[in-house]
Amino acid sequence: GENVEQHPSTLSVQEGDSAVIKCTYSDSASNYFPWYKQELGKRPQLIIDIRSNVGEKKDQRIAVTLNKTAKHFSLHITETQPEDSAVYFCAAGRLGNQFYFGTGTSLTVIP
Amino acid sequence: DGGITQSPKYLFRKEGQNVTLSCEQNLNHDAMYWYRQDPGQGLRLIYYSQIVNDFQKGDIAEGYSVSREKKESFPLTVTSAQKNPTAFYLCASRPLGGRSGANVLTFGAGSRLTVL
Repeated sequence: GENVEQHPSTLSVQEGDSAVIKCTYSDSASNYFPWYKQELGKRPQLIIDIRSNVGEKKDQRIAVTLNKTAKHFSLHITETQPEDSAVYFCAAGRLGNQFYFGTGTSLTVIP
Repeated sequence: DGGITQSPKYLFRKEGQNVTLSCEQNLNHDAMYWYRQDPGQGLRLIYYSQIVNDFQKGDIAEGYSVSREKKESFPLTVTSAQKNPTAFYLCASRPLGGRSGANVLTFGAGSRLTVL
């Protein structure tokens, strides 16, 4: 099966700075890479996803990049705000099948 | 803030007892999933089902059982064989195929099980 590794496990940034979370995957057949955000005490929610036919995708302050050759993908958050504080999970899998999640990154944005 | 409902929110169990966690969705989603969330270990897949009366083991199925008698319902039983059952359990669902939103998981609010 797929093996997803995620780093770092914890990340603290000053408000306004950028945050980067990195994930690697093992199955070259994986073609779908979502990112979920889980705020404290709440359920995980999809914030952005990318398919293997695209190298980068942006949505306002967040972006995801994918390097299929190296089998890694990253989440970039610019101009961080306190409400970005949460646990972020990357995942990898094949469209239509189950996903495999990384171990999560706890992001703290310091005002 | 609805669509998929888990109950109970908190559950305490004595060692040796089986407990069943409920998961119900009214989203007409085909696939349903159970994940276990432990600190530092992310979301680990226990079981999943893509169609009524069929389900597949995930990575950590030992000590758990499920059923899928109705499309809307996917209950999880934590049996006494599960050696370390204290955890936060998340149910999720999604449509399949070419339907809008396919591949996007909708999660429930979770059930926290504590074994005393």
